[in-house]
Amino acid sequence: DIQMTQSPSSLSASVGDRVTITCRASQTISSYLHWYQQKPGKAPKLLIYATSTLQSGIPSRFSGAASGTDFTLTISSLQPEDFATYFCQQSYSSPYTFGQGTKLEIK
Amino acid sequence: QVRLVESGGGVVQPGRSLRLSCAASEFMFSIHPMHWVRQSPGKGLEWLAFISYDGTDKSYADSVKGRFTISRDNSKNTLYLQMNTLRGEDTAFYYCAREEGERQLDYWGQGTLVTVAS
Repeated sequence: DIQMTQSPSSLSASVGDRVTITCRASQTISSYLHWYQQKPGKAPKLLIYATSTLQSGIPSRFSGAASGTDFTLTISSLQPEDFATYFCQQSYSSPYTFGQGTKLEIK
Repeated sequence: QVRLVESGGGVVQPGRSLRLSCAASEFMFSIHPMHWVRQSPGKGLEWLAFISYDGTDKSYADSVKGRFTISRDNSKNTLYLQMNTLRGEDTAFYYCAREEGERQLDYWGQGTLVTVAS
């Protein structure tokens, strides 16, 4: 199975900060890496798919990139509504594993 | 607007069975692969199962293989998860999700809570 190691597990930041969350795959997953945002009591919401494609309706302050098996989600300027938990997921091969999540909190 | 609505959750004793349903509307259900994902309270997301658009291809997480069965009825626009031999560690919110072109899960239901307890 492909393991997805997400870091950090938690992050404190302020409105306006630039933040980056990383996911490392245990083997090649091509570009089959997706990012989700989840707020308390809600279902996850797709932010970015196929490494770097912004889902419709998602603000352009969110971006994704990759270098080999390392994938990053960057929020260029944090807004109050961005404080949430973020998950990566690979869909290269079954089981389609998720990262452990990154809880983004207000500093 | 794409809609996925899970139902069938509740409290069940260990060793018993439960079937979850996911009613899909406002999109062409029969052309989309579908997934089940769960989340134990306060924990991360765990992918559980996949089914192809026509139901011929399925895959499962090791944690549920042999106990859970994913299925679909395209005539009813409904996805199912049959859960047998339930354990305490199966306690979680269960979400159904639609797969789109790059195998991303682009729409999710609101989740249904399954509690396994005696």
